Amino acid sequence: GEDVEQSLFLSVREGDSSVINCTYTDSSSTYLYWYKQEPGAGLQLLTYIFSNMDMKQDQRLTVLLNKKDKHLSLRIADTQTGDSAIYFCAPHASGGSYIPTFGRGTSLIVHP
Amino acid sequence: NAGVTQTPKFQVLKTGQSMTLQCAQDMNHNSMYWYRQDPGMGLRLIYYSASEGTTDKGEVPNGYNVSRLNKREFSLRLESAAPSQTSVYFCASQRLGNTGELFFGEGSRLTVL
Repeated sequence: GEDVEQSLFLSVREGDSSVINCTYTDSSSTYLYWYKQEPGAGLQLLTYIFSNMDMKQDQRLTVLLNKKDKHLSLRIADTQTGDSAIYFCAPHASGGSYIPTFGRGTSLIVHP
Repeated sequence: NAGVTQTPKFQVLKTGQSMTLQCAQDMNHNSMYWYRQDPGMGLRLIYYSASEGTTDKGEVPNGYNVSRLNKREFSLRLESAAPSQTSVYFCASQRLGNTGELFFGEGSRLTVL
């Protein structure tokens, strides 16, 4: 099965940029998702990128994909305290299964 | 539009007791999932149901059973709860086609003493 690795914690100052990194093993991943989990809540889809793209920008969010290195990153510009949450990388491998594989999640802590 | 609804939100059990976590979705999705979330472990798939009438084991199925009652409802049962099953449980449904996005419930926090 797919293995997904993320660092567990990231601490940034309000107003700075945050970069959350993810590596995965299955090169056939078709969609690569980022989910956000706020305290006490379920996960919500934040953004995603197709495997035929290198970059996707959506307001303060930039997703970069390096397929050769199987590396995905999520950049949050002008990080706010409301961005404090756990961020999950979830590649979705093709080949019949529609089940995304989740990383362990990165806890983003934003301090003033 | 309620999305995915889980009940109960909180539950405390004693070792050996049984209980059922309920999940319902109103988005007409075919696929539904049960995950558990433990600190530092991320989300681990317990069971899933690709369609009404079918269920399959995920990564950590031991100690659990599931029922896909109809297209809307997917329940998770603990027959004899153990302290190792203390966790936060999430139900999710999936929109196939398009992005294949998962929609999650708010979670059920279970403590087994």
